[in-house]
Order: sequence, then C-alpha cells, then structure tokens
Amino acid sequence: ETGVTQSPTHLIKTRGQQVTLRCSSQSGHNTVSWYQQALGQGPQFIFQYYREEENGRGNFPPRFSGLQFPNYSSELNVNALELDDSALYLCASSRAGFHTGELFFGEGSRLTVL
Amino acid sequence: AQSVTQLGSHVSVSEGALVLLRCNYSSSVPPYLFWYVQYPNQGLQLLLKYTTGATLVKGINGFEAEFKKSETSFHLTKPSAHMSDAAEYFCAVTDGGNNRLAFGKGNQVVVIP
Repeated sequence: ETGVTQSPTHLIKTRGQQVTLRCSSQSGHNTVSWYQQALGQGPQFIFQYYREEENGRGNFPPRFSGLQFPNYSSELNVNALELDDSALYLCASSRAGFHTGELFFGEGSRLTVL
Repeated sequence: AQSVTQLGSHVSVSEGALVLLRCNYSSSVPPYLFWYVQYPNQGLQLLLKYTTGATLVKGINGFEAEFKKSETSFHLTKPSAHMSDAAEYFCAVTDGGNNRLAFGKGNQVVVIP
C-alpha cells in the first residue's frame, strides 16, 4: 500500500508568480484535502476534492484553486503569490463514506515566496 | 464552526516524566476529536481519536486521551516520556459529517534527558 506523496518537496517563487503543487493519494482513497501550515501554526483547511469536484472550502481566496484527476491524484494551484503564502502545504487523503477524520498526510511541499 | 485551543506552544518534559498536553474544543454539535503528531520533516500521523462511545481512548506509542464533555476538553497524556516523543502535537476537531479538520496551533514537545 503506497502512502501519500507530494511534489516538489521545496520550492522558491517570487511575488506575483504562480505555483502548482502535486499530490498522489494513498491507494484506495478517493478524497483529497489540502492544508496550509504557516510557520508556528497548525494546519489550516484550504479545500477538499471528491469525485473530481470541490467538496468544501476553507477561508482562502479564489486564487487558491485545485483539481482532482480520475486516478484521485490532485493539484493545488496558487496564482498571484503573496509573501504570506510562504508555508508548508500538506495534502491528505481519505475514503469518502468513512467520516472518521483519519487523514493520511504527505510530507508536504514547502513554499517560500520572496 | 468547530475550533480547538492548545495553550503553551513549547512544552519541556524530563525523560520518564508525565506528558500532559491540554486541548479544549468548541463545537455546536457532538465533536469528533483527534490528536496528530508531526515529527521533523514529516507529515502528520494520527495518534488517537474520539468519535463516540468510550471516553478514554488509547492510541499509539503509549498515549491516551479522555473526552470530557462537561469541561469541553480532550487532554493528551503519556505516563512516561521517551526521547522519541520529541515532536509537535496537534489537537483537531471535526463535526463528524466530513473529514475537514480544524487544528489547534500545536505543542512542540522537548524531552530533556
């Protein structure tokens, strides 16, 4: 059983640029969630995808968008990067219908915006 | 909306001593509560969870937590700290209808030899 994998692990961008982060969910999981973890803070829910549709969104602006593919992998896109977007972005997978809150997290993509 | 509060960002504990991390929650519906652990340069791993039933729940690595509705608390304990327990610990809550978690700010645990 493969775990959640994310890429890239680290990246540096400048203000105004766009970034795409990728996530492969754990085998058998059909729901993907994305979280932003700023330095010294807990993870904040960005959005969740199920059956290739957004299925819930946290308090993040529209420049944060995502995709889920038929194989359940996912992308997080952030446009017009701001300095405050610097954070660890975590992807988590789970199985819909199993509402137990047990999410399986990847190791994250650390984004630095200069 | 659900939320959790964790006080004291850094917690120092001597090896062999009790580990106690406090978590208080706010929820308008019966909550599902969780503790996750994050080791350096790793993702989050579930330690334990409370959904329904027994209020004292046991997790991995000797940790346990007790759900106290009257105190809106879900404190995490371990009787004897090991060096390997050094990590960041997060309390989280959801309303049970989805898998969207609200996390606390976390406790960085340092174990002193």
